[in-house]
Amino acid sequence: EAQVTQNPRYLITVTGKKLTVTCSQNMNHEYMSWYRQDPGLGLRQIYYSMNVEVTDKGDVPEGYKVSRKEKRNFPLILESPSPNQTSLYFCASSLSGIGDSPLHFGNGTRLTVT
Amino acid sequence: AQKITQTQPGMFVQEKEAVTLDCTYDTSDPSYGLFWYKQPSSGEMIFLIYQGSYDQQNATEGRYSLNFQKARKSANLVISASQLGDSAMYFCAMREGRDSGYSTLTFGKGTMLLVSP
Repeated sequence: EAQVTQNPRYLITVTGKKLTVTCSQNMNHEYMSWYRQDPGLGLRQIYYSMNVEVTDKGDVPEGYKVSRKEKRNFPLILESPSPNQTSLYFCASSLSGIGDSPLHFGNGTRLTVT
Repeated sequence: AQKITQTQPGMFVQEKEAVTLDCTYDTSDPSYGLFWYKQPSSGEMIFLIYQGSYDQQNATEGRYSLNFQKARKSANLVISASQLGDSAMYFCAMREGRDSGYSTLTFGKGTMLLVSP
């Protein structure tokens, strides 16, 4: 089944403890992206990747890191999480980074930082 | 300025009726794509329908259609014959820069649709 898989679904952690949210897609998509969703703010892009070894900042990159060493994987790294990073996170991918490619989303990771 | 505006925070509709969810967008790029996504209470984001800026006809996908008015910069989603399972948050989104090969998907803040029996 074609899908975007992100793990974990739920994560509770403490301030400053490094964490990684994994994302993998099995559709051979070139483009991958991370979004966070917060009440009243909608979805905001954190980072995106047009292809392997090519990543770029989105609208809210502060406090996050990403890497794209393989086409299928695009992990999100929080080196020192803070409570304002408590959010619902989505990984997404599309065939390409151009206008007519719909994004396919993972099921989301709900992160709580205490 | 917001690139995607959804002016209806919430909408109510009775089962089997049609409903229109509004979306206006702002771009100076001649090439762009417009998308609608559904987010049920379970949280996942489901792609519904796509409209390209150069498409001559309005997009349709089953009970979903997109009323695309380019001059007005609007891309309203029409759901015909609403079902209880249509109750969800709906997001309009835009992707710019097709010709340049660069694009990011920008979302509106969403409209919550509630379908009553």
